[in-house]
Amino acid sequence: GALVYQYPRRTICKSGTSMRMECQAVGFQATSVAWYRQSPQKTFELIALSTVNSAIKYEQNFTQEKFPISHPNLSFSSMTVLNAYLEDRGLYLCGARGPGHNTEVFFGKGTRLTVV
Amino acid sequence: SQWGEENLQALSIQEGEDVTMNCSYKTYTTVVQWYRQKSGKGPALIILIRSNEREKRSGRLRATLDTSSQSSSLSITGTLATDTAVYFCATEAGGNYKPTFGKGTSLVVHP
Repeated sequence: GALVYQYPRRTICKSGTSMRMECQAVGFQATSVAWYRQSPQKTFELIALSTVNSAIKYEQNFTQEKFPISHPNLSFSSMTVLNAYLEDRGLYLCGARGPGHNTEVFFGKGTRLTVV
Repeated sequence: SQWGEENLQALSIQEGEDVTMNCSYKTYTTVVQWYRQKSGKGPALIILIRSNEREKRSGRLRATLDTSSQSSSLSITGTLATDTAVYFCATEAGGNYKPTFGKGTSLVVHP
């Protein structure tokens, strides 16, 4: 079956430092990968959408300079939170889908980021 | 119901009761997906309804879609304590490829 793994599951970083998280798709070709952040008691904010052979599209309030993303192949993506501060804490989710319209998005279990 | 800037909604019911959650969306979508997120886990798709469908059933789940009012509902019949979770609806415009989530409904089912 199709699975998405994210690691690390939890991480703590000092304010002002950076943290990289990874997303691995297994059992399908992840032609599209979306990164979301879920803050406490909030829904999923889309950070950016990466589609193979297309430029990565960042949503308003999120920039490549702050959240650089790499999507080098059809099974892997990574995102770094640069210069993390308290407002960056939350659960970061990777959602990946295969080719085609309206296909299911498979989510990993997320990377929980705590900033101290 | 979910959407907009409202806070996460919360429902608390007894096991065996039926429950319906609502979701309104702002722009045209070709599909509404309902996800369930249990504590400490990522969201999992539980039912998907397309714009050419008015109703979809899967076991104890029933989803409806009204494209004219841009709203969808998710009903669970005979709830179980294991249905306790946060439920999100997600929409995306055709070809947009980016699911956009509602604020979510927290459901607690007491045994």
